[in-house]
Amino acid sequence: NAGVTQTPKFQVLKTGQSMTLQCAQDMNHNSMYWYRQDPGMGLRLIYYSASEGTTDKGEVPNGYNVSRLNKREFSLRLESAAPSQTSVYFCASSSWDTSAYEQYFGPGTRLTVT
Amino acid sequence: QKEVEQDPGPLSVPEGAIVSLNCTYSNSAFQYFMWYRQYSRKGPELLMYTYSSGNKEDGRFTAQVDKSSKYISLFIRDSQPSDSATYLCAMNYQAGTALIFGKGTTLSVSS
Repeated sequence: NAGVTQTPKFQVLKTGQSMTLQCAQDMNHNSMYWYRQDPGMGLRLIYYSASEGTTDKGEVPNGYNVSRLNKREFSLRLESAAPSQTSVYFCASSSWDTSAYEQYFGPGTRLTVT
Repeated sequence: QKEVEQDPGPLSVPEGAIVSLNCTYSNSAFQYFMWYRQYSRKGPELLMYTYSSGNKEDGRFTAQVDKSSKYISLFIRDSQPSDSATYLCAMNYQAGTALIFGKGTTLSVSS
């Protein structure tokens, strides 16, 4: 049981390049989330998917797109990376009955945009 | 004003000390109050949660919620070096909505 996995663990991009961050969970959870974490800013929600086939914007969606590929996978795409997107990105998932309080987080992707 | 405010610290204490971590919030609709712990270079993990007001104890950890003051606390008794981490408070209205996190308080416990 791997929980929530994220790939890659580290990435360096040049301004204007694109990339997709991958996330998968093996806990049969309905809901999945993408956050970014910056020093002094805490965890900020980028997008979330309450269930397969739905996605909604969070607090900081600009510059990102998401795809809920199936129940297990939720990807985050940066179409044209900017230095302001340098951050640590976390994917999380939750089951419906505990989604009010419990999310399981992946290990994070450390992204640097130069 | 952000919905959830948390002093980022850092907070440094000697081993065995009692630690108090706090958050304030502005939205009276919050019903779920959580504390997540995040070790360096790891994802956050749920430590404790409380529904509505009151206290909850789990070993050396006690969570308190005062809805009248819009104030929540986490107390750590007999703190250990292994408690060194960032502690994030989080709040929510109901199932199916996104958690609102505080900025996190970094705690260091020295032996």
